[in-house]
Amino acid sequence: SQTIHQWPATLVQPVGSPLSLECTVEGTSNPNLYWYRQAAGRGLQLLFYSVGIGQISSEVPQNLSASRPQDRQFILSSKKLLLSDSGFYLCAWSVGSGSRSEQFFGPGTRLTVL
Amino acid sequence: DQQVKQNSPSLSVQEGRISILNCDYTNSMFDYFLWYKKYPAEGPTFLISISSIKDKNEDGRFTVFLNKSAKHLSLHIVPSQPGDSAVYFCAASASGSARQLTFGSGTQLTVLP
Repeated sequence: SQTIHQWPATLVQPVGSPLSLECTVEGTSNPNLYWYRQAAGRGLQLLFYSVGIGQISSEVPQNLSASRPQDRQFILSSKKLLLSDSGFYLCAWSVGSGSRSEQFFGPGTRLTVL
Repeated sequence: DQQVKQNSPSLSVQEGRISILNCDYTNSMFDYFLWYKKYPAEGPTFLISISSIKDKNEDGRFTVFLNKSAKHLSLHIVPSQPGDSAVYFCAASASGSARQLTFGSGTQLTVLP
């Protein structure tokens, strides 16, 4: 069966510090991978998605970047965090090339920028 | 511009009764719709989906209805159980925009024992 891991579960960082969140998927090959952010009281906003190693699509201009160094590893990074980067970050995966495929989410990382 | 809207931020229902969660969308290109359930501090869990070629899809206690002319979908949970208390998100995608889901802002459902 497929599982998705995210770490850390919670993170408190000062403004201006770097960020690295990691996501790994087990039990599947060549998944599509996604990073979402849920700000307080709001829905899920797609930040990045990747259909393969080294292939990253960005959905919104922002202070963050993503990388996919291995097939089942997806990393979300920032060089300098802003207060507005606080939120709940979710990694998700899916298979298939069409838009009619369910996405399955990891447990999330709660990031607080002070 | 919110393309997927859940206008009710919260809903309270008595245990055993029906819960109806609503979702409206504006993009006529959306042709696949999903509902997710989310507990605090956890990732969303996929519940049920529906393609635009259907108007109803049922899975156990969960039924999703789609009204394309009104650009409206709803999730019915019957009978509601206390364990159903969670935030419910609807999401939509369009052919050609492959792999992108657009989410609503969520509805907090509370099922009272």
